[in-house]
Amino acid sequence: KAGVTQTPRYLIKTRGQQVTLSCSPISGHRSVSWYQQTPGQGLQFLFEYFSETQRNKGNFPGRFSGRQFSNSRSEMNVSTLELGDSALYLCASSSLQSNEQFFGPGTRLTVL
Amino acid sequence: GDSVTQMEGPVTLSEEAFLTINCTYTATGYPSLFWYVQYPGEGLQLLLKATKADDKGSNKGFEATYRKETTSFHLEKGSVQVSDSAVYFCALSEYSGGGADGLTFGKGTHLIIQP
Repeated sequence: KAGVTQTPRYLIKTRGQQVTLSCSPISGHRSVSWYQQTPGQGLQFLFEYFSETQRNKGNFPGRFSGRQFSNSRSEMNVSTLELGDSALYLCASSSLQSNEQFFGPGTRLTVL
Repeated sequence: GDSVTQMEGPVTLSEEAFLTINCTYTATGYPSLFWYVQYPGEGLQLLLKATKADDKGSNKGFEATYRKETTSFHLEKGSVQVSDSAVYFCALSEYSGGGADGLTFGKGTHLIIQP
């Protein structure tokens, strides 16, 4: 079974721009979660989608948003980028029967 | 809210040494507990998990026991190898059914194994 894939792997943007990251979950997994990893704050939960609906949300500003498609693929969007948004963004998927999450390799976003 | 506390390190050991990485948690309900490992430039890999009190998770020589009375989930390995060098994250999840709630992570422990 293929693992969780994320595209692109690396991104460089400038302040004020917006960015969209993509995540394809493991086949059959309907839950997709997003996390931000920074050296200062560590790993923080952004949001979780299940069957195209956001079920849980972490403590991030409204500039961070996401969506999920009918095939369970998910995208997250960050608008009006700030320097502090530079981070590794990780996507994870899980099945209906388990709370075990499987992570993708991440997208490294650098904001200049 | 939920929280996870773990020693941050770096923890430096010689090959074949005994490893313990402490992890304690605070949770409102009855969480599942996890250890994840992250190698340089990669995402997180699930190392082991435990879903209820007294459960022992184990994988690749690593073990951790869910201790409800001490709210702990310490990671141990009897003999570490250079290839175990990585960052280890303790995490918890309050499972609400129908999929995973967000994981709450500790800050991570950087483990360095010297030959």
